Amino acid sequence: GQSLEQPSEVTAVEGAIVQINCTYQTSGFYGLSWYQQHDGGAPTFLSYNALDGLEETGRFSSFLSRSDSYGYLLLQELQMKDSASYFCAVRAVGAGSYQLTFGKGTKLSVIP
Amino acid sequence: EAGVAQSPRYKIIEKRQSVAFWCNPISGHATLYWYQQILGQGPKLLIQFQNNGVVDDSQLPKDRFSAERLKGVDSTLKIQPAKLEDSAVYLCASSSRGLADNTDTQYFGPGTRLTVL
Repeated sequence: GQSLEQPSEVTAVEGAIVQINCTYQTSGFYGLSWYQQHDGGAPTFLSYNALDGLEETGRFSSFLSRSDSYGYLLLQELQMKDSASYFCAVRAVGAGSYQLTFGKGTKLSVIP
Repeated sequence: EAGVAQSPRYKIIEKRQSVAFWCNPISGHATLYWYQQILGQGPKLLIQFQNNGVVDDSQLPKDRFSAERLKGVDSTLKIQPAKLEDSAVYLCASSSRGLADNTDTQYFGPGTRLTVL
């Protein structure tokens, strides 16, 4: 099976940088995804790391270390609209197909 | 491009009643997923379809949950009979899942919020 750990809540100031960590235990690991979900909204895809290193997409960056079973999402120049829950999700082979297993999510609150 | 459509958006039922949810994926997406998201947790995969065939239903409580995807497009998820612990948001997602799609990006619908009293 798969298990993921990420902090339940993080608070940061507008304009600052915040890092949300994710550690995982899994078999058949293929990659780590990040999704954003606003209250009452649908999860939306942010990034995906299959290889070690940093992937940058605008203000968001995601990092993966396969040897450490660890990744993080970095949000720069925080804006109020970034207040949301952020989920790391492991893509792994299971039951004959690729599966996406989500963590419990980190609720990010951006304050003025 | 239209997104994933789901209906109804909200449903309130009493325990032991039955309920059905409908999903229309993004046009051309071969893979369709149903997730259950309990308040304060991440989405949990219930069932995955590739076209009209079931790829993975290992986490679907088959004694009360059923799902189908006739003609490989729309899908319905049914709960019969419902229990209090089924109160959750039921999310439908789709992906193109081509061989070249290494990211396996999933596009989620707005979900159906189910309350079982």
